[in-house]
This record gives sequence, C-alpha cells and structure tokens, in this order.
Amino acid sequence: AQSVTQPDIHITVSEGASLELRCNYSYGATPYLFWYVQSPGQGLQLLLKYFSGDTLVQGIKGFEAEFKRSQSSFNLRKPSVHWSDAAEYFCAVGSNTGNQFYFGTGTSLTVIP
Amino acid sequence: GAVVSQHPSWVICKSGTSVKIECRSLDFQATTMFWYRQFPKQSLMLMATSNEGSKATYEQGVEKDKFLINHASLTLSTLTVTSAHPEDSSFYICSATPPNTYGYTFGSGTRLTVV
Repeated sequence: AQSVTQPDIHITVSEGASLELRCNYSYGATPYLFWYVQSPGQGLQLLLKYFSGDTLVQGIKGFEAEFKRSQSSFNLRKPSVHWSDAAEYFCAVGSNTGNQFYFGTGTSLTVIP
Repeated sequence: GAVVSQHPSWVICKSGTSVKIECRSLDFQATTMFWYRQFPKQSLMLMATSNEGSKATYEQGVEKDKFLINHASLTLSTLTVTSAHPEDSSFYICSATPPNTYGYTFGSGTRLTVV
C-alpha cells in the first residue's frame, strides 16, 4: 500500500541552525516526490519535487531534498533556518498518472531566536 | 505561475445550512480538480476528484450527498457542504494540475466553522 511517513511530528531549531525533516515512503512504482509548506491558515506551497535524474533537488527558499531509493527516503534540508521558515511541512508521493496523491502527516517546525 | 483561487477564505454558518466553496484556476484550464479536507494538526485527506462535465469521484467514506461537487466549466469547481453540522468544521483545500506540468497547485483553503 502507498503511504508516506514523517516520523517527526514537531521539531524545534534555533535560527541559523541547520534543518533536516525526514520523509519515508512506501510506493509500488516509481515515486514522484514532493515537499510542501503550509503557513497557519494558508494553503500549500510547493517547495520542490523529484521525478527523475539527479537525486539531489533544489527548491525555493533555500531548501533542498535528497532522494535515496535504497532507504525509501526523501529528506528535506536547509543549511540555515530563518524565523520565517516556521510552518508545517508535508511530504507527498504521487503516481505518474497524476491522479493520486498521498500526504504524510506533516512536521511542525518552530524556530527560536 | 499557475494560480488556483479559492473563495471564501473562511466562513461561519449555522448548523443545518449549506455552504458553497469555489475553486478557480485563474490562468489555466483544469479538467480535473481535487478537493481535500484537513483537520487540525492532521494531514490532508483527499475527498473527491472533480471532473469537468461529469460526476465527481468520491473517496471511500465521503458522503456524496453531503459534499456536492460541481465542475461546470474548465476553470471552476464548487464544493457545497449541505446541511452542515459542527463535525463538518474543517479546512477545505482544492488543487489542480496546470497543463504541461506535474504536481498540483493548491488553493489557499477555506476554513469552515459550523456553529
């Protein structure tokens, strides 16, 4: 069965520190992987996506993610966190037919000064 | 870039009334749109797939008579919550896929509170 697991419900980091949000997936075919960010009361904004090719993908706002097929992981990273990065982050996996999406339960990020 | 507009952003209604939420693709045509529901501190759950000119496809466990979906044009899908009850209070988000891309563009969501 298809699923996405985000093991960390909540993470707190200091401003300027590095960040890694974990994402593991279970998918029967070639996965298309995504990271979205959601600010309170807002919709979702796409940070980055992976379809194929280079397993290290760059996104907006200084985020990057690395696809590791052997570990079924797609972890999100940022070298230096800003206070404005505080939000909810969702990992998702989709099919290549484009009509199904599976979201993780999200990781809430708090940034302390 | 492609934009999906959702209206209203928030709505409060009385129990037993109906509420309509609109989802528009502003600069592209969308034959398919998706409706999600999100409870506090939880992830998004797909409710239904809205197909232009045909009936929506509902996920298991979603009451199609309660959540009416209409996709009358290539740029507009509506979700009507009929006879709303407090347990319908939630955050509803729509999405669509712009042409020649992969991945979804999401609306800004609608916060529904039923009192």
